[in-house]
Amino acid sequence: DIQMTQSPSTLSASVGDRVTISCRASQSIDIWLAWYQQKPGKAPKLLIYRASTLESGVASRFSGSGSGTEFTLTISSLQPDDFATYYCQQYNNYLTWTFGQGTKVEIK
Amino acid sequence: EVQVVESGGGLVQPGGSLRLSCAASGFTFRSYWMTWVRQAPGKGLEWVANIKQDGSEKYYVDSVKGRFTISRDNAKNSLSLQMNSLRAEDTAMYYCARGRGGGASVGVYDYWGQGTLVTVSS
Repeated sequence: DIQMTQSPSTLSASVGDRVTISCRASQSIDIWLAWYQQKPGKAPKLLIYRASTLESGVASRFSGSGSGTEFTLTISSLQPDDFATYYCQQYNNYLTWTFGQGTKVEIK
Repeated sequence: EVQVVESGGGLVQPGGSLRLSCAASGFTFRSYWMTWVRQAPGKGLEWVANIKQDGSEKYYVDSVKGRFTISRDNAKNSLSLQMNSLRAEDTAMYYCARGRGGGASVGVYDYWGQGTLVTVSS
């Protein structure tokens, strides 16, 4: 199975900061990677798919990059609404789909 | 408006069974893959099962194979998850979600319900 590893597990940042979250796949997944945002007590929300395509309605301060095994989610200027947990997810393997363990973005 | 609403969660003893349901509306249900994703208390997300538009293909995470069955009724716009031989480690919030599109994107989930909580405990 493909394993997804995110870093860091927790990130402390301030409003206006540029934030970067990394996601590494245990084997190449080409560009088949999605990013989700989840707030406490809420369902996850799709932000990005195909590594860098922004889902409709998602703020342009979110961006994704990478291919193969190394991926990055960037928030260009952190807003109060962005404090949440972020998950990457691979969907390259048609028989099984896996998430990273999550990165919590908290207020510094 | 696209909506998916889960129901059927609750407290069940180890070894017991439970059937979760997901009611979909606001989109052509029969045209989309559907999935169940779970989240244990304080933990991350775990994909559980997927089902193709016509129900002809179903996939499961290894830990639930042989115990859980995903199914759908396109006439009723509904998705189900039959869970048997439940274990303490199955305790989680269970989310129903829609696969975003065709090809690989069946594994991208663009609409999620609010979840239904399953607690397995004696």
